Amino acid sequence: GAGVSQSPSNKVTEKGKDVELRCDPISGHTALYWYRQSLGQGLEFLIYFQGNSAPDKSGLPSDRFSAERTGGSVSTLTIQRTQQEDSAVYLCASRRAGETRGEQFFGPGTRLTVL
Amino acid sequence: KQEVTQIPAALSVPEGENLVLNCSFTDSAIYNLQWFRQDPGKGLTSLLLIQSSQREQTSGRLNASLDKSSGRSTLYIAASQPGDSATYLCAVKERTGANNLFFGTGTRLTVIP
Repeated sequence: GAGVSQSPSNKVTEKGKDVELRCDPISGHTALYWYRQSLGQGLEFLIYFQGNSAPDKSGLPSDRFSAERTGGSVSTLTIQRTQQEDSAVYLCASRRAGETRGEQFFGPGTRLTVL
Repeated sequence: KQEVTQIPAALSVPEGENLVLNCSFTDSAIYNLQWFRQDPGKGLTSLLLIQSSQREQTSGRLNASLDKSSGRSTLYIAASQPGDSATYLCAVKERTGANNLFFGTGTRLTVIP
């Protein structure tokens, strides 16, 4: 079966532009997570969705970052007025409803470069 | 706040050698611990997940152990192969509160043919 997919795989943008990153979770997975992996840093949590609602947005670094999820499936992470420090790999993960082990499955990531 | 540390940051071994990767975490109130593999430019592949009530999990040449009380986990790789070269990440899910995983910074493994 299909895993978590993300698009684009690579995105190069100029400072100040807005970008949208897309995540398609595994079908039937109700929980969805966004993480960021900066060069030389570990993965840091950004936001968690349960269905279409986001009960935990505690990891979003600034109000330039936002995310939404529609139909309990696809999620979009939007970064407005991008800065060079936003350059990172953005990873999405999903988890099956009722999965008591809490196992998360990750997509291949989107590598964002802000010039 | 939960902090996860992995040592060493990088490791090079000759093919065939057995090796151990280490992971430590500061808050022992975890729900589970997961080991991942990350290849350059790729996402994360889940290798093993250990529930807090378990002591170890095995998959093929991989064995992960968990000592929750001391805040430690090890990933043992037997008879290493060049294809094992990758970055290995451990991550913990806390029992209460946060739904996200807390990740270590990883160990970059190179297996030399």
